[in-house]
Amino acid sequence: GQNIDQPTEMTATEGAIVQINCTYQTSGFNGLFWYQQHAGEAPTFLSYNVLDGLEEKGRFSSFLSRSKGYSYLLLKELQMKDSASYLCAVRDYRNAGNMLTFGGGTRLMVKP
Amino acid sequence: DADVTQTPRNRITKTGKRIMLECSQTKGHDRMYWYRQDPGLGLRLIYYSFDVKDINKGEISDGYSVSRQAQAKFSLSLESAIPNQTALYFCATSVTGNTEAFFGQGTRLTVV
Repeated sequence: GQNIDQPTEMTATEGAIVQINCTYQTSGFNGLFWYQQHAGEAPTFLSYNVLDGLEEKGRFSSFLSRSKGYSYLLLKELQMKDSASYLCAVRDYRNAGNMLTFGGGTRLMVKP
Repeated sequence: DADVTQTPRNRITKTGKRIMLECSQTKGHDRMYWYRQDPGLGLRLIYYSFDVKDINKGEISDGYSVSRQAQAKFSLSLESAIPNQTALYFCATSVTGNTEAFFGQGTRLTVV
């Protein structure tokens, strides 16, 4: 089975940097995804990590350590529109078809 | 126009009624999925399909059935709706098991 843990809620200030952590336990790790989901809307893909290290995409970066079962999503220069839930999802090759398992999501509130 | 379209977007139904949620996609992807989302529980997989002749149960398939009518269409049915099936339902597609999933806009279902 898989356990994926991420904080339920976080608050940060506009213009600041925030780091959202995700820890997982899986026996067949095959990649980790981060999605952004605004309230009542569809999740949208942000980043994908399968090897250790940092992946940078503009204001967003994602880090992975496979040995520690740990990832984080780093958001820089926060904007009000970044207020959303951030979903960590892990792919396990031992699941049929490399299926994704999602964490409960972290609700980020950006304040002025 | 959305690449992954779900209908209806909102639905209120009574306990015991049969209801179908529909999903169509224009992305040409073979893989399609149905998830439900409950507050704090993240996205949980109900059913998935790798092609028209392939249907697989996910984590929480009890009380649900699906039909893959064509590559582009994947519908979810609740044969006899019950209140704890009240949730936000998402359809998603992907090219392969190693690529990101694209989500529809969701169907908010309330069973009273």
